[in-house]
Amino acid sequence: EVRVLESGGGLVQPGGSLRLSCAASGFTFNTYAMSWVRQAPGKGLEWVSSITDNGGSTFYADSEKGRFIISRDNSKNTLYLQINSLRAEDTALYYCAVGGISTAGLASWGQGALVTVSS
Amino acid sequence: QSVLTQPPSVSAAPGQKVTISCSGSSSNIGNNYVSWYQQLPGTAPKLLIYENSKRPSGIPDRFSGSKSGTSATLGITGLQTGDEADYYCGTWDSSLNAGVFGGGTRLTVL
Repeated sequence: EVRVLESGGGLVQPGGSLRLSCAASGFTFNTYAMSWVRQAPGKGLEWVSSITDNGGSTFYADSEKGRFIISRDNSKNTLYLQINSLRAEDTALYYCAVGGISTAGLASWGQGALVTVSS
Repeated sequence: QSVLTQPPSVSAAPGQKVTISCSGSSSNIGNNYVSWYQQLPGTAPKLLIYENSKRPSGIPDRFSGSKSGTSATLGITGLQTGDEADYYCGTWDSSLNAGVFGGGTRLTVL
């Protein structure tokens, strides 16, 4: 069974940093692109970032470029999202998803990690 | 303002059919695959349709997808109360070099 489990969320002050992790199991991790999608409270889905299967290429939404860094460790079957210079508008549930939205869609999703940016 | 445009809400009676539209442009829907996601209240999204019209294993054939030009459509037949959810379209935008979602459509089964 495909499973992805996010961790690392929490309450962070504006300007702070956070690293989200996504532990994957039940599939051959190093053959799939991976993505992050976020959802602010009461709002719709927002695509955040994706990374190719070997980590060679990364993509970001314009609003996140320069502040967000996606990476992966295929030896640990884990995806990461480093978020710097956090702002109140980054408050959201961050989902890890298997696949890329440009190909066969985001096939499996985790339950999300809640990031709250507040002083 | 989302790059892809969806109606905020649709409604229909149990057993009926509903369609949800997703409008974009040549840089996104017009030249890339569209996928559709169902988000039941309080849960993570689930993939319903990928590559415009394909259904993942386990998705009933009551759900269908199509694409024409710069628009895509999700169809749901034999509506059930359990279909009440938010539905999102998504695709790649070649100009932005990024993924994009529609604003979401809330389906109410009356």
